[in-house]
Amino acid sequence: GAVVSQHPSWVICKSGTSVKIECRSLDFQATTMFWYRQFPKQSLMLMATSNEGSKATYEQGVEKDKFLINHASLTLSTLTVTSAHPEDSSFYICSAARADGNTIYFGEGSWLTVV
Amino acid sequence: EDQVTQSPEALRLQEGESSSLNCSYTVSGLRGLFWYRQDPGKGPEFLFTLYSAGEEKEKERLKATLTKKESFLHITAPKPEDSATYLCAVQGYNNNDMRFGAGTRLTVKP
Repeated sequence: GAVVSQHPSWVICKSGTSVKIECRSLDFQATTMFWYRQFPKQSLMLMATSNEGSKATYEQGVEKDKFLINHASLTLSTLTVTSAHPEDSSFYICSAARADGNTIYFGEGSWLTVV
Repeated sequence: EDQVTQSPEALRLQEGESSSLNCSYTVSGLRGLFWYRQDPGKGPEFLFTLYSAGEEKEKERLKATLTKKESFLHITAPKPEDSATYLCAVQGYNNNDMRFGAGTRLTVKP
């Protein structure tokens, strides 16, 4: 069964609104979670690294004020896309690392469509 | 900077026709090399982690091997249900995150 759960699986929102995506590790504590974005037929592009209790580390070119990441507990990280625009439509995937860092599991992904 | 290159981009096989996928990498201190399978519209599914050159791991029809420069994912007698995109990623000691290759889209025809 899934060890990392993402919610929602898909969401449609209006341009200018904000949408939150949750990522939960189900049977382990994840001090680090990662957020990726994937365009059709392309590989995963790391957006940010989320560490529990501290600020996320964003990759170059990713707007931290637009993609707000909160890692409030050892089992939950959230990604909020603020003031969404159609170009933000994409497949967003999170992953979580076990404490040993040697096994990293991915969520099922969240489809975001901004209309 | 860590880099991962996968080849071929796409591979079409007949059922039962064995083949290999390649993942070439450069990383400053390899912490782990990961193989994932991704079906359309879904998140990657973990397959293997390899840590050092010479290591091999097997799971059903899949076998992953690792050298200091590349990893191979061997598929023996594939079935149509093996059709998916196979992603390779590396994790270095300097980073906690993974760098992904572009993937190989495998299609197995009955």
